[in-house]
Amino acid sequence: NVLPQSPSTMAASPGEKVTITCHATSSGIYMNWHQQKSGTSPKLWIYDTSKLASGVPDRFSGSGSGTSYFLTINAMETEDAATYYCQQCCGTPPITFGSGTKLEIK
Amino acid sequence: EVKLVESGGGLVQPGRSLKLSCAASRFNFNDYWMGWVRQAPGKGLEWIGEINKDSSTKKYNPSLKDKFSISRDNAQNTLYLQMNKLGSEDTAIYYCAREEVGVDYWGQGVMVTVSS
Repeated sequence: NVLPQSPSTMAASPGEKVTITCHATSSGIYMNWHQQKSGTSPKLWIYDTSKLASGVPDRFSGSGSGTSYFLTINAMETEDAATYYCQQCCGTPPITFGSGTKLEIK
Repeated sequence: EVKLVESGGGLVQPGRSLKLSCAASRFNFNDYWMGWVRQAPGKGLEWIGEINKDSSTKKYNPSLKDKFSISRDNAQNTLYLQMNKLGSEDTAIYYCAREEVGVDYWGQGVMVTVSS
């Protein structure tokens, strides 16, 4: 019960565009994204596919439909280095997380 | 802002049980589904289960069989996780989570280590 995410690890230079992919198990679900920095609890980052959580910079965006969803960073910044998890809601089981993408700064 | 504070973790011997608590504040606890998520060292997030507002509905991750039981006390704004027959594979940080079409707030987490 883990949603495939790709890539599993990547490094991006400051200013570079970043795209993370997540594959849902079915269509018609809600897709959220969570950011987790080392040693801290996750934070909701993007909800309902494309809505930014409070305080999230607008260089982040979410998109997708059906079973393919994306988190995009328009221009990578140092503070964006973290692990990102997609999270599917309201299917069976009710909540399923992605495998995670560790994003590092070059 | 929403506050979720877990407690009750620590070192436990294999085969034993443990009960975690999560104290919720700064929101109307009675209005939300609540859940638990865990994260083994160096691994990803694993959803354990959830409970609805009045405890009439509980859902669990089928991969975890019958190891966990979730309950809540709305009068005390507290969520619980009962864990039974613990094994080394249950060593993890356990997070309390508020759910609103998925997880929208996380606790800081509590570490549970299963070892003899």
